[in-house]
Amino acid sequence: AQSVSQHNHHVILSEAASLELGCNYSYGGTVNLFWYVQYPGQHLQLLLKYFSGDPLVKGIKGFEAEFIKSKFSFNLRKPSVQWSDTAEYFCAVNAEGNNRLAFGKGNQVVVIP
Amino acid sequence: GAVVSQHPSRVICKSGTSVKIECRSLDFQATTMFWYRQFPKQSLMLMATSNEGSKATYEQGVEKDKFLINHASLTLSTLTVTSAHPEDSSFYICSAFGTGKRTQYFGPGTRLLVL
Repeated sequence: AQSVSQHNHHVILSEAASLELGCNYSYGGTVNLFWYVQYPGQHLQLLLKYFSGDPLVKGIKGFEAEFIKSKFSFNLRKPSVQWSDTAEYFCAVNAEGNNRLAFGKGNQVVVIP
Repeated sequence: GAVVSQHPSRVICKSGTSVKIECRSLDFQATTMFWYRQFPKQSLMLMATSNEGSKATYEQGVEKDKFLINHASLTLSTLTVTSAHPEDSSFYICSAFGTGKRTQYFGPGTRLLVL
């Protein structure tokens, strides 16, 4: 079964700073990769996803992620964060052909105005 | 499109009672739905896969007799927490794949508090 690792659970940064959240997974086969965001008091929303093709994926709200197969990584980035990006971010993976998603433990991101 | 709703949004019950949580796909048909549990400050833990018209598939360690799942139609799955105990207090979230879709869409969650 696949597993997902996210480090630095708590991230605090100032507005306009750059954000990078790491995500590593353990599974040797073909995977689908996702980043979800959970704003305070709201449900999980899809930020971006990777199935195949260009490993640099652009999502909503200025986020992007890069799939590096050799490193089993799918790191999330945003060049300049805003206060409204304060949220919890979850990386998730499923093996191709298997709908069951494995989630990382999440990154709690706080952006200080 | 791809909106998933849950009802109720929060429920408080006494220990020993049963609680039913509904998950609906509002604008698409969902042949498969998933139930997750989220503890405070922790990730989502997959509890079971709900398949329309057939038995649910439970993850290892999840008691199927305690967490009853029924997926009676293409737009509705229910999770019943039977004989609830305080340790069942948690945030329960459902998600759904639409027919032919490869992305899960999540409901807003149900906060269960067992006294």
